[in-house]
Amino acid sequence: EAQVTQNPRYLITVTGKKLTVTCSQNMNHEYMSWYRQDPGLGLRQIYYSMNVEVTDKGDVPEGYKVSRKEKRNFPLILESPSPNQTSLYFCASSSETQSSTDTQYFGPGTRLTVL
Amino acid sequence: LAKTTQPISMDSYEGQEVNITCSHNNIATNDYITWYQQFPSQGPRFIIQGYKTKVTNEVASLFIPADRKSSTLSLPRVSLSDTAVYYCLVAPSYNTDKLIFGTGTRLQVFP
Repeated sequence: EAQVTQNPRYLITVTGKKLTVTCSQNMNHEYMSWYRQDPGLGLRQIYYSMNVEVTDKGDVPEGYKVSRKEKRNFPLILESPSPNQTSLYFCASSSETQSSTDTQYFGPGTRLTVL
Repeated sequence: LAKTTQPISMDSYEGQEVNITCSHNNIATNDYITWYQQFPSQGPRFIIQGYKTKVTNEVASLFIPADRKSSTLSLPRVSLSDTAVYYCLVAPSYNTDKLIFGTGTRLQVFP
C-alpha cells in the first residue's frame, strides 16, 4: 500500500531533550516536507527536500533540523525542544514537484508535547 | 503565492448541500486551485483540483468564476462523515518553494 508513515504518533518530552520524528514513504517520491499544524494557524511548512541531500527552509524552520540521506526517509530533528514546539506534525511527499498539480500525500501525524 | 481566505467554520445538517468559498484575489495565471480534506487525527488528503469553470468528481464539485478570484467547493448531500477541515490551496503548476495551505474551514455536520 502506498503510504507515508511517521513515528512516533504521540510523544511527550521535556524541554531540551533531543528527539527525532521519523518519516518514510514507499512511493519513490522526489519531494518530501514537514508541516506543523496549530489551532488557528493551519498548516505551516517547516522544511522541504526536493531530493537526496537537498533540503531547504519553509516558513517556520527555527528550532528544527532535517536530513535526506535516502530518498524514502526524511527525519525531523529537534535538537533542544521547547514548549512552543508543542504541535501536531505532518510529513508529506509528492512525486516530482512541489506544486499545486502534484498531489501532496500526508502521513498520519505526530502529536508532540514539550513540557 | 496567492493568499487565500476561507471561513473559519461552517455548520450543516445531514443531507444538505454545503458550499465553501475561498477567496484568492491575487491568483496568478499559472496558479491552480486545489482542495484538501482533513479528518480528525489524520493528515490532509486531496479531493479536487481545477483551473477554471467547473470540475466534478465522485466526492465534490469545484466552481471557479471567469475572473478566478474565488472558488467554491460544493459537497452534495453531506453526511456525518464529511465533518472535517477543508483547505483551499492556490499554487502554481510548476515547482515552487512554498505551498501555503492557510487555516482551512472546519465543517461540522449534525444529524
